[in-house]
Amino acid sequence: AQTVTQSQPEMSVQEAETVTLSCTYDTSESDYYLFWYKQPPSRQMILVIRQEAYKQQNATENRFSVNFQKAAKSFSLKISDSQLGDAAMYFCAYRRGDYNQGGKLIFGQGTELSVKP
Amino acid sequence: EAQVTQNPRYLITVTGKKLTVTCSQNMNHEYMSWYRQDPGLGLRQIYYSMNVEVTDKGDVPEGYKVSRKEKRNFPLILESPSPNQTSLYFCASSLRLGGSGYEQYFGPGTRLTVT
Repeated sequence: AQTVTQSQPEMSVQEAETVTLSCTYDTSESDYYLFWYKQPPSRQMILVIRQEAYKQQNATENRFSVNFQKAAKSFSLKISDSQLGDAAMYFCAYRRGDYNQGGKLIFGQGTELSVKP
Repeated sequence: EAQVTQNPRYLITVTGKKLTVTCSQNMNHEYMSWYRQDPGLGLRQIYYSMNVEVTDKGDVPEGYKVSRKEKRNFPLILESPSPNQTSLYFCASSLRLGGSGYEQYFGPGTRLTVT
């Protein structure tokens, strides 16, 4: 069975600084996708960034980028120039490449990020 | 506007009183799922549906039922709620076909408390 682990329950960063959130996963599949979701106090789940396992290039979305280490099964999220609005719970998630199980996402435990002004 | 809606957003109920949480999407998505979110556990899939009249259990289906009679709707039914079903619930939908791991669209969440 696939698992996703986020070992940092809480992180803190100074505004305008850079922070990295860690995620490791375990799978025997070769085709899969990895995601980072943001959950602000409104509780809405917002997709931050997506990485296809078959792509070697790390995904980037504006101030957000990932470090995808396939062999190590590691998928960290880097937030540059942190802003107060980045404060939220962040979830790492995994999805198999096939379309079974309704595209089920397997989530990590979450990392609560606080941003200090 | 493309969206997934859930109702109610908040619900406090008592043990054993049947309840239904509705979910509706306007994007003509084939796939729909229900997740529950608990502290320290992230989100876990309860049930999913791959199309009308096609549903199956996820990872934590005990105590829940679902139905998919129409493509847009996927209600979650708790026939006899218990306090361990106190949680934050999310409905999500996505397209069946998509080469980039098509995004799951999440509803706004339903905070359920069972006393």
